[in-house]
Amino acid sequence: QKEVEQNSGPLSVPEGAIASLNCTYSDRVSQSFFWYRQYSGKSPELIMSIYSNGDKEDGRFTAQLNKASQYVSLLIRDSQPSDSATYLCAFAYSSASKIIFGSGTRLSIRP
Amino acid sequence: EPEVTQTPSHQVTQMGQEVILRCVPISNHLYFYWYRQILGQKVEFLVSFYNNEISEKSEIFDDQFSVERPDGSNFTLKIRSTKLEDSAMYFCASGQGDNEQFFGPGTRLTVL
Repeated sequence: QKEVEQNSGPLSVPEGAIASLNCTYSDRVSQSFFWYRQYSGKSPELIMSIYSNGDKEDGRFTAQLNKASQYVSLLIRDSQPSDSATYLCAFAYSSASKIIFGSGTRLSIRP
Repeated sequence: EPEVTQTPSHQVTQMGQEVILRCVPISNHLYFYWYRQILGQKVEFLVSFYNNEISEKSEIFDDQFSVERPDGSNFTLKIRSTKLEDSAMYFCASGQGDNEQFFGPGTRLTVL
């Protein structure tokens, strides 16, 4: 079983709409959860981290974590063309430990 | 804003040659990492380094790989005898040990 599962996409969303990205993970002992954004040919950029159940908002981004369902999601409000990228779901077992990445969901915002 | 830097941005080498990839982590960070991403595939963990020693390594990180912090600012990844399958983007990351890791721009390694 894959450790982190994401729909590879592409997910196409009109400009100004809400983009919803989903991820499931296999290991219940996972402690920390992350969303990274990766533009083509560039490095992963941390956009959200979440550690406890519930929602965490930062600007246009909201991360949601449900540990019982082993599910984490990312909502992007008022989607902009610059949000077009691959979004990587990731987790770590503990602070400072390795990060385990999913394969990513490609998001395309159409004008 | 402080950032992780990596050199070179692109390295081309012949199979069997040694390469050294260099990274300057964020200055107040204590935890250092190397990851790689083969074209079209996911980002994979290679090794973590803390307090001048390896704290964790993956099965990819075999005897051909080594890491070093030769001075107070640089963190290097050495591949002793490169193989074709080592061609990938190599990312250095650093963190304070509070979960978050920040990635450098990467070095694209091409092995011919």
